[in-house]
Formats: sequence, structure tokens, C-alpha cells
Amino acid sequence: AQKVTQAQTEISVVEKEDVTLDCVYETRDTTYYLFWYKQPPSGELVFLIRRNSFDEQNEISGRYSWNFQKSTSSFNFTITASQVVDSAVYFCALSEAPGGSYIPTFGRGTSLIVHP
Amino acid sequence: KAGVTQTPRYLIKTRGQQVTLSCSPISGHRSVSWYQQTPGQGLQFLFEYFSETQRNKGNFPGRFSGRQFSNSRSEMNVSTLELGDSALYLCASSLVGTGNTIYFGEGSWLTVV
Repeated sequence: AQKVTQAQTEISVVEKEDVTLDCVYETRDTTYYLFWYKQPPSGELVFLIRRNSFDEQNEISGRYSWNFQKSTSSFNFTITASQVVDSAVYFCALSEAPGGSYIPTFGRGTSLIVHP
Repeated sequence: KAGVTQTPRYLIKTRGQQVTLSCSPISGHRSVSWYQQTPGQGLQFLFEYFSETQRNKGNFPGRFSGRQFSNSRSEMNVSTLELGDSALYLCASSLVGTGNTIYFGEGSWLTVV
């Protein structure tokens, strides 16, 4: 069975600090997909990134970067020079590829608070 | 293009009543799924519909039901509301196929009093 663990319940930083959100996953499949979503107070989960299990390249998008390491089953998310607008709950999710339906499993989320 | 649209955004119901929530997926998306989010339980999968058929169902009582129409729009219904049903209900849509990204709506905030 698939499982996603986000051990950090809440992180508090001061603006301009770098912050890393951890995500550890468990799966028996060799083909799977990992995601990060951002949930601001308004409620909508905003898609940030998708990674498949065969692509271990790290990705950078502006101030956001993601480090995917299959050896440690981790898919960590770093925000560089954090800003107040980054305050939100961030979810990591895992989807296996059973060959049909697509039901991702979400972690419990990490609440990031960026203070001015 | 337009994102996932959910209505209503906020509603208050009395225990014992029923509620219907609506979701319009992104144009071209045929899979619609529903999630319940509460502070205590996190994001929990309710069910998924594709081509008007329920393909997957989470571990929720029969009071929770849904359906999908031929235009891929979906509704979910909760009957005999309980206080514990107070939650944010999120709808998400995706293209067909495994590994496709699901895109969420803003959710419907349900309060049961």
C-alpha cells in the first residue's frame, strides 16, 4: 500500500529565509508519480509539480526547487528566499500506476508560516 | 481555460438535513474525484467518477453518494448530516490515464450545526 509522510506539521520562518519541506513515501510499484500542492487559506489546492519515478532530475522553478531521491524515497521541496505569500499548507502526494484508475494518496501536509 | 468550479462555496446545514454539492471539471477532463478535508483526518478520498460511472470509492458510509453527468459535471450528496460532516469538500478533475495530474477546485465549506 502506498503511504506519504510529511513529518513536519508546522514550520515558521522569517521572510527571506530558505526552507525545506520534507516528504517521504512508500510504494511497492516501480512506476509511480509524486506531486506537490499548495493550499492557501482560500482552500484550493494548487498544483506545483509532478514527477514520475523514472525521472530523478532535480527541478527548479523560480524560488522553488525539488529534490527527488529514490534511494531514500524522498521528494523534498525547497523554497529559497521565502516570502509572506508562501504561507500556506503544502501537500505531498503519491500516485501509483495500476494501469487504470488514478487515486493519489496525500500526506498530512506541512503548514508553512512566513513572518515579515 | 477555466479551472474546476465548485458550488456553493459556503453553506450551513442543520444536523439531519441533506446537502448537494456541485462540481464542474476543467473542459476536456472526464475524471472527477471528491475529497473531504478536516483538521483531524486530513485529505480523505471519497469517490471518483469517470464516464458517469463510479470507478473508485473511499471508506465512507453510504450517506455519502455522488454521480456524474454526461457532460462530466458531478454532484455529491450527503444525507442525514452529522456534526462530524463539517469539512471542506474538494472536487478535482483530470484527464484520462494513470499518473495524470489532478486539479482541484476551491472547495465547498460545509458547516453542520
